[in-house]
Amino acid sequence: DTGVSQDPRHKITKRGQNVTFRCDPISEHNRLYWYRQTLGQGPEFLTYFQNEAQLEKSRLLSDRFSAERPKGSFSTLEIQRTEQGDSAMYLCASSLKQGHSEKLFFGSGTQLSVL
Amino acid sequence: TQLLEQSPQFLSIQEGENLTVYCNSSSVFSSLQWYRQEPGEGPVLLVTVVTGGEVKKLKRLTFQFGDARKDSSLHITAAQTGDTGLYLCAGAGGNKLVFGAGTILRVKS
Repeated sequence: DTGVSQDPRHKITKRGQNVTFRCDPISEHNRLYWYRQTLGQGPEFLTYFQNEAQLEKSRLLSDRFSAERPKGSFSTLEIQRTEQGDSAMYLCASSLKQGHSEKLFFGSGTQLSVL
Repeated sequence: TQLLEQSPQFLSIQEGENLTVYCNSSSVFSSLQWYRQEPGEGPVLLVTVVTGGEVKKLKRLTFQFGDARKDSSLHITAAQTGDTGLYLCAGAGGNKLVFGAGTILRVKS
């Protein structure tokens, strides 16, 4: 399967712990996005990379959140000192932008529960 | 801030019925996309509309982009149980997609 892969699928952690999620995009895609989705809401943009450069970060992304994409391939999203409000589905998507439109391919997400 | 409002929030219908869901904004978008998402999975792209007034058909699904490129609708003919899911619209806003909150569709047999 050559789709977007996210690991782990589920993560349960205690408040105050650090967690790290991984995303492996489709290999030829140069853009990689992180979104967060809570129950009953659509995905909210967190950040995106073009190759290895992090070009935009949402104001939702507090200083406890950091994302990297070394070598422009896989990406990691780390949350330090987790809070109960961080509980959500974290979605990764990749794309190869062509012209004005862009087709995003999403992974299955990492469901985070902070107890 | 570009916001997309979707209506209705929830729709429960019988198999075979027709339905329309809406996506509205006060902002103009260069393109608008519709996604379908199943529980525990990521959204899957259904269609992209780019031109004002554009209509696209995908089997029993008909998508329309408003003339002013601020709104869109999705019409499903003869709904099937397999159509059940969360339908999301997303507008291209700068370098990212902005999503609406979605319409949860439940098709009962």
